[in-house]
Amino acid sequence: QSALTQPPSASGSPGQSVTISCTGTSSDVGGYNFVSWYQQHPGKAPKLVIYEVSKRPSGVPDRFSASKSGNTASLTVSGLQAEDEADYYCSSYAGNNVVFGGGTKLTVL
Amino acid sequence: QVQLQESGPGLVKPSETLSLTCTVSGGSITSDYWSWIRQPPGKGLEWIGYIYYSGTTNHNPSLKSRVTMSVDTSKNQFSLKLSSVTAADTAVYYCARGGGGGNSYWGQGTLVTVSS
Repeated sequence: QSALTQPPSASGSPGQSVTISCTGTSSDVGGYNFVSWYQQHPGKAPKLVIYEVSKRPSGVPDRFSASKSGNTASLTVSGLQAEDEADYYCSSYAGNNVVFGGGTKLTVL
Repeated sequence: QVQLQESGPGLVKPSETLSLTCTVSGGSITSDYWSWIRQPPGKGLEWIGYIYYSGTTNHNPSLKSRVTMSVDTSKNQFSLKLSSVTAADTAVYYCARGGGGGNSYWGQGTLVTVSS
């Protein structure tokens, strides 16, 4: 069982928005502003799309946004595009430890 | 552009030690933390640990004392050793730049199978 809880699946039509949640505890998500989100296409390495809760690395479209409230972090993908279909993982620093969520498969309908 | 490349045996026998090296190019290994993350076939990501160029390390408590990480600044490389492997350690192993604050660059990953 993963330390962080994500829904196994999410979906949306092109142009729509979808939000993926990531629930942890006060020892990880709620305790630090070090939540990251990764996008992984089949057979590829994960790609960082969000770090430090809501910051986007250079080159990541602003369609990707994220936030945190208490022990739950959220990733929102707006204006869904076909290439957004992928697995998404959240991750959090947990005090000399790092924990991942189980992943969410995002399907673009 | 920082690039990372994992190298090591793709097949390890049960009870033996898995050894992988990550070579960093396009940047200095003295500039950040460096991580190992794995992904069993068809499953999610699991953090193994990270190391700073000074040698300071943190690793997943669930792996107990089986993990050893090291860094060679002269070669711009860092390494992972995982002892007493079992079939449960079969996974794609990734090296990545960064520690607990997020991993910005990843290697392509290398599949390590534990089997006799």
